Amino acid sequence: EAGVTQSPTHLIKTRGQQATLRCSPISGHTSVYWYQQALGLGLQFLLWYDEGEERNRGNFPPRFSGRQFPNYSSELNVNALELEDSALYLCASKLPGPSRYNEQFFGPGTRLTVL
Amino acid sequence: QKEVEQDPGPLSVPEGAIVSLNCTYSNSAFQYFMWYRQYSRKGPELLMYTYSSGNKEDGRFTAQVDKSSKYISLFIRDSQPSDSATYLCAMTSNTDKLIFGTGTRLQVFP
Repeated sequence: EAGVTQSPTHLIKTRGQQATLRCSPISGHTSVYWYQQALGLGLQFLLWYDEGEERNRGNFPPRFSGRQFPNYSSELNVNALELEDSALYLCASKLPGPSRYNEQFFGPGTRLTVL
Repeated sequence: QKEVEQDPGPLSVPEGAIVSLNCTYSNSAFQYFMWYRQYSRKGPELLMYTYSSGNKEDGRFTAQVDKSSKYISLFIRDSQPSDSATYLCAMTSNTDKLIFGTGTRLQVFP
């Protein structure tokens, strides 16, 4: 069974540009989570999509947005890039329905570098 | 104050040592506690999970939760070089939002 996939692996942008990151969840998973992992800060929750709807977002500015497509894949868009946006962006997926442990399966991440 | 505190390390131990990794937290609503392992250039993978206070053992790994002290631990017995990774604690009150620690980098040398 294929795991969560993310593309691209690496992305280099300059300040002010826009970045688009993509995620394909495990087959059968309907929830997609996005996290930012910056050096020394751990995983910071960004966005949660379930059944095509945004269910929750973390404490990030509106220039971080995304969407989930009918096939449950997801896209994260970051507008007006700032140097501090340089980080590893991780996508995770989860089976539908309630889950006590909220078990999430992570992809390998997209390394975004903003110059 | 962060909701979850975790010493970033690095923690360097010889092969065969017992490793103790810890997290403290401030939100008493957390009930579900997890440990993830993250190898270099990979995404985190779920290692163990526990509910409320108590111990859980899985092979060489033991997870411990002390809710009265708001303290969780992961013990690794007979550590191996292949255990070298970053270990992240995570917790939730079942609000569909996981709160992660910053991760502790572990190095096990032969």
